[in-house]
Amino acid sequence: DAMVIQNPRYQVTQFGKPVTLSCSQTLNHNVMYWYQQKSSQAPKLLFHYYDKDFNNEADTPDNFQSRRPNTSFCFLDIRSPGLGDAAMYLCATSTGQSNSPLHFGNGTRLTVT
Amino acid sequence: DAKTTQPNSMESNEEEPVHLPCNHSTISGTDYIHWYRQLPSQGPEYVIHGLTSNVNNRMASLAIAEDRKSSTLILHRATLRDAAVYYCIPAYSGAGSYQLTFGKGTKLSVIP
Repeated sequence: DAMVIQNPRYQVTQFGKPVTLSCSQTLNHNVMYWYQQKSSQAPKLLFHYYDKDFNNEADTPDNFQSRRPNTSFCFLDIRSPGLGDAAMYLCATSTGQSNSPLHFGNGTRLTVT
Repeated sequence: DAKTTQPNSMESNEEEPVHLPCNHSTISGTDYIHWYRQLPSQGPEYVIHGLTSNVNNRMASLAIAEDRKSSTLILHRATLRDAAVYYCIPAYSGAGSYQLTFGKGTKLSVIP
């Protein structure tokens, strides 16, 4: 049974048109992460929430925002997508303890036309 | 956070053991060492983690050097389904929670 669910699996948006990607979890984990993975590169952490506390990586562009309305859901908003934002976006969860693993969804592949 | 060094790629024959090395010489004393793998078109998948002692689970074994500056992921019998990119990641405890910063990983090819 999928425990971290990302919808949609594939998303196409137009240059400059806002887009929202969603992630839900059934694990009741405290922490939810968003990673960006471009072709042939490693996943890159954008930000994460510990409960309601938002933690942004220093080099994450302002164009990327996130919302976590409750424990189960987290959203990634791209306010004005550029061609360079085309990537796989991965959501992950954890309990927040470093001796527990991250659980990843299968990602949303974003195409910008 | 700690830097890691892994071979870019490795090859193994099917049914043979595979030893995937990782250097993490700047790891702090409290960072767990996590290993993940990523198959094509999928999200990363947890493999194993450890702190000081060697660890075993149904997927793999993790051998950690006594000085913790390196570790080795051991797949006891490689199968074609083990072909993936393997990431070794020290779990860095930064602001808010622990974070996993992915390096380039090792791309494992399994030859039938």
